[in-house]
Amino acid sequence: SQQGEEDPQALSIQEGENATMNCSYKTSINNLQWYRQNSGRGLVHLILIRSNEREKHSGRLRVTLDTSKKSSSLLITASRAADTASYFCARRATQGGSEKLVFGKGTKLTVNP
Amino acid sequence: DAGITQSPRHKVTETGTPVTLRCHQTENHRYMYWYRQDPGHGLRLIHYSYGVKDTDKGEVSDGYSVSRSKTEDFLLTLESATSSQTSVYFCAISESGGGREPQHFGDGTRLSIL
Repeated sequence: SQQGEEDPQALSIQEGENATMNCSYKTSINNLQWYRQNSGRGLVHLILIRSNEREKHSGRLRVTLDTSKKSSSLLITASRAADTASYFCARRATQGGSEKLVFGKGTKLTVNP
Repeated sequence: DAGITQSPRHKVTETGTPVTLRCHQTENHRYMYWYRQDPGHGLRLIHYSYGVKDTDKGEVSDGYSVSRSKTEDFLLTLESATSSQTSVYFCAISESGGGREPQHFGDGTRLSIL
């Protein structure tokens, strides 16, 4: 499959704890993107990390990329109930002879108050 | 939030009927996409457009057609709906294609085909 694969599929934590989600892929990339989806809403872009970058931060979010292991992780620090959502990684992949964004199946995060 | 409006937001219809979903954007982005989201499959690309009257197929295009007569509107048509097309459909836009830049999504259309 050309999809990124998120791990775990579901994660339940307490408010204030950190949440780590992982994404693995099989072929080379030039960027990897993370999105959040709240229940009943569309996906919202969080962070784009390019293949020559190892780490990026945005507020309480930290994304790392290890191209040698073909994996990325999304860390949410000091989680809040409002962080409850599904999180998806997406990467450029060649489909039908052209490059497209291919999404993984997501990690469902529940933050308990 | 990016100015993307999908209509209708919910629709229930019967097998064999035609269905058209509309995506309207106010961002003047060149690229527009239609995805479907199903449990166990994640988000899959149906069709996309890279300009007015310029469209191409995605991963799951069978049974769907699209049209883009104006920059701001991208229509998805199910000519003869089947129960397997019951899904949540998302429209997305981006300034450039090929996954080089982030995509911005509408809030989806929940389509049920009985």
